[in-house]
Amino acid sequence: NAGVTQTPKFQVLKTGQSMTLQCAQDMNHEYMSWYRQDPGMGLRLIHYSVGAGITDQGEVPNGYNVSRSTTEDFPLRLLSAAPSQTSVYFCASSPGTVYGYTFGSGTRLTVV
Amino acid sequence: DQQVKQNSPSLSVQEGRISILNCDYTNSMFDYFLWYKKYPAEGPTFLISISSIKDKNEDGRFTVFLNKSAKHLSLHIVPSQPGDSAVYFCAVPNSGGSNYKLTFGKGTLLTVNP
Repeated sequence: NAGVTQTPKFQVLKTGQSMTLQCAQDMNHEYMSWYRQDPGMGLRLIHYSVGAGITDQGEVPNGYNVSRSTTEDFPLRLLSAAPSQTSVYFCASSPGTVYGYTFGSGTRLTVV
Repeated sequence: DQQVKQNSPSLSVQEGRISILNCDYTNSMFDYFLWYKKYPAEGPTFLISISSIKDKNEDGRFTVFLNKSAKHLSLHIVPSQPGDSAVYFCAVPNSGGSNYKLTFGKGTLLTVNP
């Protein structure tokens, strides 16, 4: 049981480049989310999904796209990377209970 | 406007003593409150939760207290251990009691000194 798997763990992009952060979970969780963590800002919700085919915006969605074609996968796409998107990105999944999300180990992204 | 506020960015305690981490919230309609723990270079992990109908929930060395009139919750760790050194986030679910959309505080860095 791998839990939530994020790839890559580290990435450096040039301004304007696009890329996809991958997230997969093997727990058959309906709910998945993407968060970013910045110093002094805590964890902020980017996008979330309550099931395959259903996504919605979180607190800081600009510059990011998501899709949920399967229960297992929830990729995050950066359309045109900007230095302000330098951050650590966490994917998480939940069965919808009060016991909270299971988080991946994160992707550290640097945009230069 | 922040829905959850952790006003202490850091806390340092001696091993064996009590650690108290605080969190204030703004919305009286929250059904549950959660605490997450995060080590460097790892994702956050769920620690403990409390329902709004309770005022205390205990799990081993960890106890969360909820004061609804003050809109305040606190996490007590007794006794504190060096392995407890981490960032602690309080979080609230945003929709109808389900926790698929969590809002996190900014976190408190706890350092437990041997």
